[in-house]
Amino acid sequence: KNEVEQSPQNLTAQEGEFITINCSYSVGISALHWLQQHPGGGIVSLFMLSSGKKKHGRLIATINIQEKHSSLHITASHPRDSAVYICAVDNTDKLIFGTGTRLQVFP
Amino acid sequence: KAGVTQTPRYLIKTRGQQVTLSCSPISGHRSVSWYQQTPGQGLQFLFEYFSETQRNKGNFPGRFSGRQFSNSRSEMNVSTLELGDSALYLCASSLGFGGRHYGYTFGSGTRLTVV
Repeated sequence: KNEVEQSPQNLTAQEGEFITINCSYSVGISALHWLQQHPGGGIVSLFMLSSGKKKHGRLIATINIQEKHSSLHITASHPRDSAVYICAVDNTDKLIFGTGTRLQVFP
Repeated sequence: KAGVTQTPRYLIKTRGQQVTLSCSPISGHRSVSWYQQTPGQGLQFLFEYFSETQRNKGNFPGRFSGRQFSNSRSEMNVSTLELGDSALYLCASSLGFGGRHYGYTFGSGTRLTVV
């Protein structure tokens, strides 16, 4: 079993829909990161969380340390949100990555 | 301010050769970490350098090595290339050792193809 599990693996949405991507982990962590990867390969760091909730524009990330679970929400999704979203946890000063969620948003 | 710069962007090498990849961090960042991304294994941590010292290492064979210079630029070397080394290699920079306090900024990656 992977130490970081994401669901769903693939997600298709219509423009304007509310999106939720989930991440569960089984190891101790000092922080959790949500990353976005576009087809070119480069990765953008969206959030770093150690507790609670963070919001940036249409993106919201939450974490429940007791349940070892985090969610990334996208409100009013747009085709430009189409990308792979990756959850990564900071464990003993190294990142352990989930397998990613491929999101496609259609107009 | 300039982002994290990785060179080259693309590389094709033959089995048995060696390769060196370069990563220039954001100015002022002292930590550089390296990652390998393949379709089969996903993203995996290779190693992290801080103040010219390797501070952490992932589960990769000794063919994978790196170093960091006094200006924080880092290089990664893979010797005796195998077909399975074909991957996207990403680096990330951070203000300090470990990203949990400062977060990470990633480069665009070097896509290595071994033939």
